Parts: sequence; C-alpha cells; structure tokens
Amino acid sequence: DTAVSQTPKYLVTQMGNDKSIKCEQNLGHDTMYWYKQDSKKFLKIMFSYNNKELIINETVPNRFSPKSPDKAHLNLHINSLELGDSAVYFCASSHRQGNNEQFFGPGTRLTVL
Amino acid sequence: GQQVMQIPQYQHVQEGEDFTTYCNSSTTLSNIQWYKQRPGGHPVFLIQLVKSGEVKKQKRLTFQFGEAKKNSSLHITATQTTDVGTYFCAGPYNQGGKLIFGQGTELSVKP
Repeated sequence: DTAVSQTPKYLVTQMGNDKSIKCEQNLGHDTMYWYKQDSKKFLKIMFSYNNKELIINETVPNRFSPKSPDKAHLNLHINSLELGDSAVYFCASSHRQGNNEQFFGPGTRLTVL
Repeated sequence: GQQVMQIPQYQHVQEGEDFTTYCNSSTTLSNIQWYKQRPGGHPVFLIQLVKSGEVKKQKRLTFQFGEAKKNSSLHITATQTTDVGTYFCAGPYNQGGKLIFGQGTELSVKP
C-alpha cells in the first residue's frame, strides 16, 4: 500500500561508477519530482516531470539524467559518480503542478566512496 | 532568485515547553506549506495555508500565514517527544510546481 516507493534504500558505490535509483507512485498523480537532501538537511529540487514531460530542470550536472517511462515512474540515473553526490535523494509526487501538497518517498541514501 | 528563510536552525526544548519556527519569503507567496521530517525519515506534509492572515490548528500545532503572505510560523504548545524532527516550510515558485524549501528547524525534545 506504499504510496511513493524508491529503490534501493541504501546505495554505496565507488567514485566513477554509474548507478540508478527507481521511483514509483500509486497515487494516480501526474507530477513527480527528484530532490536532493544534503548533510545539512537542505532540500533542493532537481527535476520535475508532468505526464512524462520534463518541467523543471534545475542547475544539475549533466551526469544526472531522469527518465519517466510513464507517469507513475520516475527514475534517476547518475553517471560518473563523485564524492559530492553523496546525499539522500527523495522522489516525490503531487496531483498536478502548482500548489499541491507533495508526497515523498522514503529516500535513497547514496554514499560515494 | 526567490528565497525562503527559516529560523531558528535548531531548537532544544524541555518536554512541555512551547516551540515556534518562523519562515520568511523574499517574495509574496500564493500559499505556504509545512512539512515534518522525523529523524531518518522523509518529509511528510502537514498543512497548506492560502489566505492572507490565515490561522489553522492541528491539535497542539498552530500555523499562521502573514497578512502580506510573505511570512509564516508554526507554533507547538507543550511539546512532546513525538514532536522531535525537522520542520520545513515551503513556498511555490511560479506555476511549475517547484517548491522552495526553507532550511528547516530541527527540534529536539528532552524528556
């Protein structure tokens, strides 16, 4: 019955590797987001998709590439991982863009060694 | 660009004491949202305020939206250990659904 799910929950990898994080929501929402939360707990949006269309693309390195195969899924692929990519990545979804509450997934803690 | 500032960054209280966190936006907001993140958890939506001067209550939590719709506050009366966590305010930036989050206020409650 999980509303927004992410896999994996933990990801430990070496610098230079490529990794993916998957997100799925079963709320029927048409907008999904990726956030990065750093060690100081600052939450910053990275990407937003509405009905599989990229809406928000913040100043994020090209090594990060989101993909939305359908409106219930939004995956994040990261190439050539760097130490500074270590953070907790949250997926979220909402009903429509704009001013609606967002439902967050449990997060993926990425550690780059 | 738009900024949402939140103070204090940390607050340590004795159980039973009150707690308040303040949020200020550099621009007028169409609404403001509040989220709570428990330690090791994910942000969970608490409430959304839309109207100028609006006040909403959820049990011991009182949320206010300023008259100018540029500031907001969350007040918790008689804190309990279950209130522990980080409280974030967030305001929308344009119509793209982008939320700008404040830095959060981390509340710890000593029993």
